Amino acid sequence: AQSVTQLGSHVSVSEGALVLLRCNYSSSVPPYLFWYVQYPNQGLQLLLKYTTGATLVKGINGFEAEFKKSETSFHLTKPSAHMSDAAEYFCAVSGGYQKVTFGTGTKLQVIP
Amino acid sequence: GAVVSQHPSWVICKSGTSVKIECRSLDFQATTMFWYRQFPKQSLMLMATSNEGSKATYEQGVEKDKFLINHASLTLSTLTVTSAHPEDSSFYICSARAPPTNEKLFFGSGTQLSVL
Repeated sequence: AQSVTQLGSHVSVSEGALVLLRCNYSSSVPPYLFWYVQYPNQGLQLLLKYTTGATLVKGINGFEAEFKKSETSFHLTKPSAHMSDAAEYFCAVSGGYQKVTFGTGTKLQVIP
Repeated sequence: GAVVSQHPSWVICKSGTSVKIECRSLDFQATTMFWYRQFPKQSLMLMATSNEGSKATYEQGVEKDKFLINHASLTLSTLTVTSAHPEDSSFYICSARAPPTNEKLFFGSGTQLSVL
C-alpha cells in the first residue's frame, strides 16, 4: 500500500522568499517519488523525481527536493520564489507494479 | 473534495483482447478529463485529453486506433486498449478538472494492466 500526504492545500509566499511545499509518503517498498507542477490551463509537467542514488534531487526552474527515508518525506523547495512559480504542485509516489498515487495538491501563490 | 473513480484497478488479459477502463467523476461534472500512462521509473506520460461530446486530443506518438477514448457524458470517460499486447502492460491513470474554476485536478486511483 502507498499513500501521499501534502500538507497545506494553499501556500502563499512573497516574491523572493523561500518556497517549501511539504510531502510525506508511505510505501511498503522502496519508493520512487515525483513532484509535478500544473500551470493554469495546462497539463502536468514533471519537476523532478527520485528513484535511487543521491537523496537531494534537483529539478527544473530551480526546484529541488530531498528524500528523507527516516522522515518518509520528500519536501519541495526553491530558494527564491518567482511570480511565474504560481501554480499547483503535486507530489506522487510509485512503488512496485508501477502504480502511482498522487497527493491532493498544493496551490502556490506568489505575492509581489 | 471532488472524487474521481477509476475501474478496474487491476486487469489481466490475453494478448489480442480489448480492455476498457472507466473514469467517473462522482460528485461533479468534468468537461475535461486526461488519460496518462506510467512507465517504470519514469514520469507520467499524457496520452490524451478528453472533452465531453467531442473527439479526444491525442499526444504525439499515441496511437488513436489503439487507445480509444470516449467522453460521452460529463461524468464518464473511457479508455479502451484495443488488441492489447504485452507492451501495452502499464499503469493507466485518469484525471479530471473540477468546477467552478476547472483548475483543480483530481486523480483516479489508476488501473494496472497486465497483458499476457
